[in-house]
Amino acid sequence: GDSVTQMEGPVTLSEEAFLTINCTYTATGYPSLFWYVQYPGEGLQLLLKATKADDKGSNKGFEATYRKETTSFHLEKGSVQVSDSAVYFCALSDDSGGYQKVTFGTGTKLQVIP
Amino acid sequence: NAGVMQNPRHLVRRRGQEARLRCSPMKGHSHVYWYRQLPEEGLKFMVYLQKENIIDESGMPKERFSAEFPKEGPSILRIQQVVRGDSAAYFCASSPPGGQYSGANVLTFGAGSRLTVL
Repeated sequence: GDSVTQMEGPVTLSEEAFLTINCTYTATGYPSLFWYVQYPGEGLQLLLKATKADDKGSNKGFEATYRKETTSFHLEKGSVQVSDSAVYFCALSDDSGGYQKVTFGTGTKLQVIP
Repeated sequence: NAGVMQNPRHLVRRRGQEARLRCSPMKGHSHVYWYRQLPEEGLKFMVYLQKENIIDESGMPKERFSAEFPKEGPSILRIQQVVRGDSAAYFCASSPPGGQYSGANVLTFGAGSRLTVL
């Protein structure tokens, strides 16, 4: 079945540092890929997405590129802020069944310190 | 335009009691998904429903758990005879009809219902 593997956390960075959170996936079809963010005590919010190979998703300074050859979708940000502290989930969506069945990674907790 | 509304936000039950979690999808959304997040873990798919139909319940435990999405009213996730291992955050998500053909292949999540079993 489909699966998503992302790097273990927590990741602790100083403000303005460069962020990379690795994510790889296995899927039988041609999934869409997502990064969701979860702030403390809240639900998941979509951060960015990419629907086909070589697409780059970007939002709020975050970006990730759909790499089919390495089955990866790493999240990057050039300069993190304290407000970016949250848990980040990589996910894939297989809609081959006609609906969105989303498989999530286990999440990576990011702590940004001033 | 309200998002996905879940209630209660927090629910405490004793072992053996029943828990009912409600989810109202976004306006115009007719597809509802339930996910469970155990402490320090990612979200696990439980069930996908359309109005009056369970489409995929492959992630639902076979015993004690049930879900419905009636023609009128919210979707309900029901857990009978709760045990401590049911303590988790339960998230509902919704999407518009059309699936892959709509191009709107993004789920909108509610804030979750956090169940604590004493």
